[in-house]
Amino acid sequence: QSVLTQPPSVSAAPGQKVTISCSGSSSNIGNNYVSWYQQLPGTAPKLLIYDNNKRPSGIPDRFSGSKSGTSATLGITGLQTGDEADYYCGTWDSSLSAGSVFGTGTKVTVL
Amino acid sequence: QVTLKESGPALVKPTQTLTLTCTFSGFSLSTSAMRVSWIRQPPGKALEWLARIDWDDDKFYSTSLKTRLTISKDTSKNQVVLTMTNMDPVDTATYYCARMPMTTSDAFDIWGQGTMVTVSS
Repeated sequence: QSVLTQPPSVSAAPGQKVTISCSGSSSNIGNNYVSWYQQLPGTAPKLLIYDNNKRPSGIPDRFSGSKSGTSATLGITGLQTGDEADYYCGTWDSSLSAGSVFGTGTKVTVL
Repeated sequence: QVTLKESGPALVKPTQTLTLTCTFSGFSLSTSAMRVSWIRQPPGKALEWLARIDWDDDKFYSTSLKTRLTISKDTSKNQVVLTMTNMDPVDTATYYCARMPMTTSDAFDIWGQGTMVTVSS
């Protein structure tokens, strides 16, 4: 039932960079802010990015967000083993079925 | 410190009604622009937003589950309650509540630890 599309998985070696895409439409990403969440195994999601590119206090600048049109991207630089987790994008959908929506999720593997 | 904690039955039978309570501290749901949502995650699957209640008692529901959900708040107790009727095994999931303050627009800045609900006879 996910409205936003993400790649199922991405991987890279420690120290490298990965990017995760999130594709939506004009009713969601195109006209609303995007947020990103990290979910470590067995834990609740944690907010990484809000308002497309802002980081909450305590989130390192290795994590960055951007948005263009109806797509958004999360970037992780200086990849660490502790970054191995599932990542989800989220936004509000302003269509007739208004509500929050999430992406399909992306598993990041550190090789 | 802002915290949220979900509580409710770990096991429900098919067709029963599920009632979950989110008890929070460190903020007030009577504060302007404060909101609390419920989100669930079936085992091994993606997050699914369920419902939201706002400081002014505005309510929003997932279109696909709208007929089965009711969200309410008790500001004096710092609680948000979600009821889901006619439970089915496909509703087996971890259920989270999360805060949405105005400062993070439509983002969920603090999440509860989640409560696992299994639907089985």
